[in-house]
Amino acid sequence: NAGVTQTPKFQVLKTGQSMTLQCAQDMNHEYMSWYRQDPGMGLRLIHYSVGAGITDQGEVPNGYNVSRSTTEDFPLRLLSAAPSQTSVYFCASTYRQGYNEQFFGPGTRLTVL
Amino acid sequence: AQTVTQSQPEMSVQEAETVTLSCTYDTSESDYYLFWYKQPPSRQMILVIRQEAYKQQNATENRFSVNFQKAAKSFSLKISDSQLGDAAMYFCAYRSNFGNEKLTFGTGTRLTIIP
Repeated sequence: NAGVTQTPKFQVLKTGQSMTLQCAQDMNHEYMSWYRQDPGMGLRLIHYSVGAGITDQGEVPNGYNVSRSTTEDFPLRLLSAAPSQTSVYFCASTYRQGYNEQFFGPGTRLTVL
Repeated sequence: AQTVTQSQPEMSVQEAETVTLSCTYDTSESDYYLFWYKQPPSRQMILVIRQEAYKQQNATENRFSVNFQKAAKSFSLKISDSQLGDAAMYFCAYRSNFGNEKLTFGTGTRLTIIP
């Protein structure tokens, strides 16, 4: 198993540009989520999905869109990048319910100029 | 809403010694899970240890153990026989057993190991 994969690892954008961060998992996990990590603030939930076709907002959803057309993939779209979106982005997945570990991808470092 | 507080932004310990990282949380729920994650310079989030709230026995994983005090809402991590590879950011996290699988993280403690 490859686990949770994310692409790209690094990205630099200009203000106003759009892009998609890719996330995939091969563990047949129902639940997938996106977090952002900022200095001094820990990880904060952006969006999550409990299965294909079902998504919902987390703590900091503004400026981001998600979709879940398959169990494996959960892309995160930045519609019009802003400097405040400079951050490290993590995708995570797990089985639903119970005493389950969330598996994290390696992260994407995004800089918006 | 649940909150997780890590009051020690940085800690250091001599190699082979023991160190304890603090975590407190606030919740009105009785059924939940608590986790400690390690983030080394590689940025990868690695699960260190987890605790179920309804289990009174403290979890242990090799050199890592927790002191879970449910009434005090405290969940500290003890690292015994510290090794250079333990140097990392450590995050405490809370997850409710109701609703979605959202993890609520603390702000982290940076642990330095002194050779």
